[in-house]
Amino acid sequence: QVQLQESGPGLVKPSQTLSLTCTVSGGSISSGSYHWSWIRQPAGKGLEWIGRIYTSGSTNYNPSLKSRVTTSVDTSKNQFSLKLSSVTAADTAVYFCARGWGRTSNWLDPWGQGTLVTVSS
Amino acid sequence: QSVLTQPPSASATPGQRVAISCSGSTSNIGSNTVNWYQQLPGTAPKLLIYSNNQRPSGVPDRFSGSKSGTSASLAISGLQSEDEADYYCAAWDDSLNGSYVFGTGTKVTVL
Repeated sequence: QVQLQESGPGLVKPSQTLSLTCTVSGGSISSGSYHWSWIRQPAGKGLEWIGRIYTSGSTNYNPSLKSRVTTSVDTSKNQFSLKLSSVTAADTAVYFCARGWGRTSNWLDPWGQGTLVTVSS
Repeated sequence: QSVLTQPPSASATPGQRVAISCSGSTSNIGSNTVNWYQQLPGTAPKLLIYSNNQRPSGVPDRFSGSKSGTSASLAISGLQSEDEADYYCAAWDDSLNGSYVFGTGTKVTVL
C-alpha cells in the first residue's frame, strides 16, 4: 500500500521560499505511469491544485502560481519536492502531496496527511 | 478561484438520498472526466469517484457519480452519519496549457 508523507518547515518568512518534500513509501516513485501532485488548502477554505510532475521531469502547473512554483523528483530517495518562491501570508495553508493517475483524468489517490505551512515574520 | 461551482451545503436525514451538483464549462467538465473527493473533518481528502462514475475499491456503492455536458453530480443514497464531510468535484481544464481544477466544495450535514 503506497503511502505519502509531507515534510518541511512549518514557518516561512514573507518573501522567502517555501520548500516541502513528499516521501513515498510502499512502492517505487518510478513504477507505473503515475504523476505526483501538490495541493494546498487555506484554513476553512477549499482545495487548490498547485502542480504535478512526472518522473520524466515533465510538469504542469496552476497558471496562477506558475511563475513562483518549481517541482522536482529524486528517484533515488523516492521523493518529490515543491518550492514556492516569494511567499506572502496568502500562501499560508495545509499542503498535501498526492499520487496522480491519468494525463487528463488526473485522479489523485492516495494523499499524504498534509502539513501546515504558516507564512509570518 | 474555483472554476467548478458547487452548492455550499446540502443536508438530509439518515437513510435519505442527497445529491451534489458540480457545474463547469466546455474546457473542463465538457472535455474531461470528473473526480470526486471526500474530506472528513481534520483529515486529508480521499478519492471517492473517478472517471465520472467509477468507485475505487472500498468505497460503498451508496456513492455514485454521473456527468452530462458541462455538469456532474454526486449522489449519496442511504445517508449515514459518517458521510458528514466536505465533498469536492475536480476535473482537468484544457485552457492555459492544462490545469487541474477543484470545485468550491459542498458541506454535507446529516440531520
